[in-house]
Amino acid sequence: AQKITQTQPGMFVQEKEAVTLDCTYDTSDPSYGLFWYKQPSSGEMIFLIYQGSYDQQNATEGRYSLNFQKARKSANLVISASQLGDSAMYFCAMREGLAAGNKLTFGGGTRVLVKP
Amino acid sequence: DAGVIQSPRHEVTEMGQEVTLRCKPISGHDYLFWYRQTMMRGLELLIYFNNNVPIDDSGMPEDRFSAKMPNASFSTLKIQPSEPRDSAVYFCASSFPRGPRLVQFFGPGTRLTVL
Repeated sequence: AQKITQTQPGMFVQEKEAVTLDCTYDTSDPSYGLFWYKQPSSGEMIFLIYQGSYDQQNATEGRYSLNFQKARKSANLVISASQLGDSAMYFCAMREGLAAGNKLTFGGGTRVLVKP
Repeated sequence: DAGVIQSPRHEVTEMGQEVTLRCKPISGHDYLFWYRQTMMRGLELLIYFNNNVPIDDSGMPEDRFSAKMPNASFSTLKIQPSEPRDSAVYFCASSFPRGPRLVQFFGPGTRLTVL
């Protein structure tokens, strides 16, 4: 079974509107971390936001927020007030366990195109 | 502060040639990871080091691939001999081992094309 599933291969969003990117995960480890990365066309991987499995509140970082629904094993990324520069691939990733060396498992990504 | 540095950014080589990719992690980060990104397989971990020691190389595809970390500020990923199926973007990432998030910060990647 896929550990990280991103069901939306691509989506359009109007500039200044909000967009939600879906991510579901599968793990039996009670301790895990969830990450979102942005990959613009230039290719680099940019860390956006983190949610720990024991965090009581949803993570927020500027225009990015994470809608964490633990029972549903869902960690959707919400980008508010979309900008043209938000056009990119977005990857959800999970680290199982608490050790720094535990690998990240990535989803297949969602391509977002922001329309002016 | 400088992020993770990778070189070269682009590499085009012919099948059978040796390829060496280089990485300088963020200063103070004890963990270094090598990932490969392809359209077919997405992002996958190849190997990671802790304090310059290889810990898990189970993702290395075959013996043609090798990685070293001679000191805390430098790592190499070598492919010898290279094959067209090795064409991919190779990322290096580093992580600081303390704090709850343990975020991995990625370098810009090396786009490898093997003809």
